[in-house]
Order: sequence, then C-alpha cells, then structure tokens
Amino acid sequence: ELKVEQNPLFLSMQEGKNYTIYCNYSTTSDRLYWYRQDPGKSLESLFVLLSNGAVKQEGRLMASLDTKARLSTLHITAAVHDLSATYFCAVNTNAGKSTFGDGTTLTVKP
Amino acid sequence: KAGVTQTPRYLIKTRGQQVTLSCSPISGHRSVSWYQQTPGQGLQFLFEYFSETQRNKGNFPGRFSGRQFSNSRSEMNVSTLELGDSALYLCASSSGPAGDTEAFFGQGTRLTVV
Repeated sequence: ELKVEQNPLFLSMQEGKNYTIYCNYSTTSDRLYWYRQDPGKSLESLFVLLSNGAVKQEGRLMASLDTKARLSTLHITAAVHDLSATYFCAVNTNAGKSTFGDGTTLTVKP
Repeated sequence: KAGVTQTPRYLIKTRGQQVTLSCSPISGHRSVSWYQQTPGQGLQFLFEYFSETQRNKGNFPGRFSGRQFSNSRSEMNVSTLELGDSALYLCASSSGPAGDTEAFFGQGTRLTVV
C-alpha cells in the first residue's frame, strides 16, 4: 500500500525566511501533485510534477521531484503572510487513486 | 469556465439516515473523484468515475456508493449514516482519467451527522 509522508506537519516561520517541505512516498510513481488549502476552503492545485527531475516555480514557491529517491520538495522563498495555508502532496500509482500526505500547516508570522 | 460545483454546501443529518451529495464537473471533464476529509484521517480517496464507470475505489464500507451520469455529473450516497461520517466531502474533476491529468476540486460539502 502506498504511503505518503510529509514533514514537517506544522511549520511556523517568519516573513522573509526560506524553508522546505518534504514529501516522501513509498512506491514507484512518476506523478506527484502539490495542493494548497486555506482554512474552510477547498484544495487549489499548485504544481503537477510528471517526471524525474521536474522543477516548477510559481512566485515564491518551487517544487521538485526526484523519482529515484521517491521525494518531492516544496521550497518557500522569502515567505509572506499570504502563504499561510496547509500544503498537501499527492501521489498516484494505481490509475485514478490518489494518496495524499497528511498536509503541512504553514503559518507565516510578521 | 465554471469550476467544479458541489451541492449542497452544508448538510446536517441524523444517525441512520441516508444522504446524497452532488458534483458537477468542469464542462468537458469526464472524470470525477470523491474524497473524504476529516481532522483525524486527513484526505482519503473514496472512488473515481470516468465515463460513467467506476475505475477505482478506496477502503470504505459499502454504505458509501456513487454513480456518474452521461453528462459526467456524479452523485455520492451514504446510507445508514454514522457519527463518524461527519466530514468535508470533496469532489475533483479531471479532463482525462484521474491521476493522468490535473484535478480541480470543488468547494466541498460539509456533512454533520448528529
């Protein structure tokens, strides 16, 4: 059974700082997704990573995928308060079945 | 382009009752997946429908069922509700089979069982 582990689960950081969220998964997959969820809201797709070595960037967020290490990272650069949210990674193996990590709740403080 | 629409947004039901939730995917999308989100269990996959066929199912009891219509709209039904079924139910639509293409989530239906 596929297991997806995110760490840290909670992250409190100051504005302007950098940090990385890690997503490890237990079986082979070449498709990994990152989502953002604001409190009481739905999930918003951030990145779709489809191949080994894929790197995508949007604003202060950058995601990468290493399929050999079964690891994806979400790097936050110069955090701002608006980035406060819960971030999920999700991995697909069996077609149509996504397994989500437990989420990383990020709080950016002034 | 309209997003994924879930109805109703909020629902309160009594133990033992049944409930039907609806999801209208983005126009042209043929895949609808359903998820349950709770504080304790996180996001858990329920099932996925693609072109009216259930392609995959998560580890939920048979009380949870679903279907997809020819217009790609999907419904999820939960029978004999239990307190533990209280959750946010999310559906996601994709243009192709889920997992192969990007998923777009609806706002969810928050179900409270009392």
